[in-house]
Amino acid sequence: ETGVTQTPRHLVMGMTNKKSLKCEQHLGHNAMYWYKQSAKKPLELMFVYNFKEQTENNSVPSRFSPECPNSSHLFLHLHTLQPEDSALYLCASSQDLGLSYGYTFGSGTRLTVV
Amino acid sequence: GESVGLHLPTLSVQEGDNSIINCAYSNSASDYFIWYKQESGKGPQFIIDIRSNMDKRQGQRVTVLLNKTVKHLSLQIAATQPGDSAVYFCAEISNAGGTSYGKLTFGQGTILTVHP
Repeated sequence: ETGVTQTPRHLVMGMTNKKSLKCEQHLGHNAMYWYKQSAKKPLELMFVYNFKEQTENNSVPSRFSPECPNSSHLFLHLHTLQPEDSALYLCASSQDLGLSYGYTFGSGTRLTVV
Repeated sequence: GESVGLHLPTLSVQEGDNSIINCAYSNSASDYFIWYKQESGKGPQFIIDIRSNMDKRQGQRVTVLLNKTVKHLSLQIAATQPGDSAVYFCAEISNAGGTSYGKLTFGQGTILTVHP
C-alpha cells in the first residue's frame, strides 16, 4: 500500500447511473489530485485540491464532480457518463502544491461505462 | 502546448541486461523530474527523481541522467530483472509560474518487458 487508498477498485456503471469514487490518504499531505488514465494516452490531470480548496479544473466535463471535504479525503462523483469515460481513475496526493515534491498515487479505480 | 514525451513506446530486454529508457521534454522551465513505474493493476510508483541543477543521480540499480541542453532525460536500470517489467513514465514539475505551476505532467510511457 502506498498510503493512498482508492475505492472501489473496479466499477461498472450504466450511462444513466450515479456513482462516486473515493480516495483517502493519511500521509498528512495537503494537496490531492484526480488523474484519468486512458489506453495509449499520458495521464491527464483532471482536478487539483490544495487545503480542501479546488485550485484546478482542467476543462473537465460537468458529469464529473469532485468533492474534498477535508485534506484526507477526495471524491469524484459521476453521473450520466459516456462510454469514452471508461478509464483508470487515479488519485494522488503530495505534501504541498507548487513545490518540488513527488506525488503518491493510489492503485486507481478501473471504471467501465456500459 | 508543453509536453513530456518518450522516444520508444516499447523495450524488450533479456534478464541481466541493462535497460535505458529515454524521455524528451519541451518545457524549458521544468525544474524537477521524476521517473515512475506502473505495474499492471497498480498506480504509478516513484522510482527516482532529479532536480534541474543536477545532471546525474543514482539509486539502487537505477540512474537518471538529465541533459538540459537538449531537454532529454533517461532512466538506466542495471541488471534488469523480470520484476522490472512495467510501464515507465517520466514526469516533470515546473515551478516557474503560469498554468503549469506545481503540476505534474506525464509522458506517454514506455513498456519494458524483461525476458527470463
